[in-house]
Amino acid sequence: EPEVTQTPSHQVTQMGQEVILRCVPISNHLYFYWYRQILGQKVEFLVSFYNNEISEKSEIFDDQFSVERPDGSNFTLKIRSTKLEDSAMYFCASSAFGRDIQYFGAGTRLSVL
Amino acid sequence: AQSVTQPDIHITVSEGASLELRCNYSYGATPYLFWYVQSPGQGLQLLLKYFSGDTLVQGIKGFEAEFKRSQSSFNLRKPSVHWSDAAEYFCAVGAGSGNTGKLIFGQGTTLQVKP
Repeated sequence: EPEVTQTPSHQVTQMGQEVILRCVPISNHLYFYWYRQILGQKVEFLVSFYNNEISEKSEIFDDQFSVERPDGSNFTLKIRSTKLEDSAMYFCASSAFGRDIQYFGAGTRLSVL
Repeated sequence: AQSVTQPDIHITVSEGASLELRCNYSYGATPYLFWYVQSPGQGLQLLLKYFSGDTLVQGIKGFEAEFKRSQSSFNLRKPSVHWSDAAEYFCAVGAGSGNTGKLIFGQGTTLQVKP
């Protein structure tokens, strides 16, 4: 069964450093998403991406965040200057259509020290 | 504002007992609703969805959920719980603008299964 893959599974970084989280969505999907889950809290929407542009973003997704689909398979989330409060599990998801089932990756745990 | 509430943070049931996990949503239009399950170290796996039509939907692993518009609820049920069902369960509503698929999640319910 096709799946969404995320790398790395765990990323440790120093505060102020840039990180890039990588995702390979399901190959024929057109809509891509990032969510995050701070430990003990709910899963929160960050951004949706379609047709090579952001279609919706949350208040969390400020200028420190960016997304990119650099080629036909990868979808990345970049955090320019990490803060302690960026420590969380980051999930990538994809769907064939906008209002459709989203398939999630296993997540990248980001630890900012 | 759009929101999802799962009133029960933690539930413990005995293996073989029935299960109901509660979910209430707040959404202005016709919602589309999901239940996802997350096992430790795993991603979110879809259990079932409601888009329209029959208000009782069947999912994987013997789960079902019933959409009740009058109560703004989408409760998850299973007649007989197995030890492998121990996990965290998330209810979500699709709340994107236009055709986008933003999901709003509830806080999650942790299910513990006693032998």
